[in-house]
Amino acid sequence: AQTVTQSQPEMSVQEAETVTLSCTYDTSENNYYLFWYKQPPSRQMILVIRQEAYKQQNATENRFSVNFQKAAKSFSLKISDSQLGDTAMYFCAFTGTSGTYKYIFGTGTRLKVLA
Amino acid sequence: EADIYQTPRYLVIGTGKKITLECSQTMGHDKMYWYQQDPGMELHLIHYSYGVNSTEKGDLSSESTVSRIRTEHFPLTLESARPSHTSQYLCASRWYNEQFFGPGTRLTVL
Repeated sequence: AQTVTQSQPEMSVQEAETVTLSCTYDTSENNYYLFWYKQPPSRQMILVIRQEAYKQQNATENRFSVNFQKAAKSFSLKISDSQLGDTAMYFCAFTGTSGTYKYIFGTGTRLKVLA
Repeated sequence: EADIYQTPRYLVIGTGKKITLECSQTMGHDKMYWYQQDPGMELHLIHYSYGVNSTEKGDLSSESTVSRIRTEHFPLTLESARPSHTSQYLCASRWYNEQFFGPGTRLTVL
């Protein structure tokens, strides 16, 4: 069975600093997609960044980047120059390329950016 | 970018009432999903659909039911609401490998 694990329930970071959120997963599939979603307090879930497993290059989106280690099944999110608006729940998610089209979500990391 | 609409955004009702949470999307996505999420907690998949006339139960047992008569519409119904149904319900659709989420309905059953 596929699983996604986020081992950091809560984290905090000073404004303008860098923070890394951890995610590990387990799957027997060779090709799949990994995501980081952001859910601000009382606001809509939005996609932060996406990684395709067959691509070796780590995805980046402005201040957000990932460290994708396929062999270790690790997918961490780095937020550079943290801003107050980055305060949110962050969910790591997995979807395979065969089967049910379901997504597996981690339990989330609550990130607080401190002024 | 997909537009996913959910109504109502907030609902407070008494025990035993029948309710329908509406979800619609404007992009013609075939695959749609319902998740249940307690505030600040993980998402639990309760229903999904591959397209018109296709519905499947998710990983979390739920007393709700869904229908998919039109591609753009995926309503969720609770025949008799109970306090244990108090939660946030998120609707989502899928395009290629990306999910797009609606704003959610926060349900409180008294």
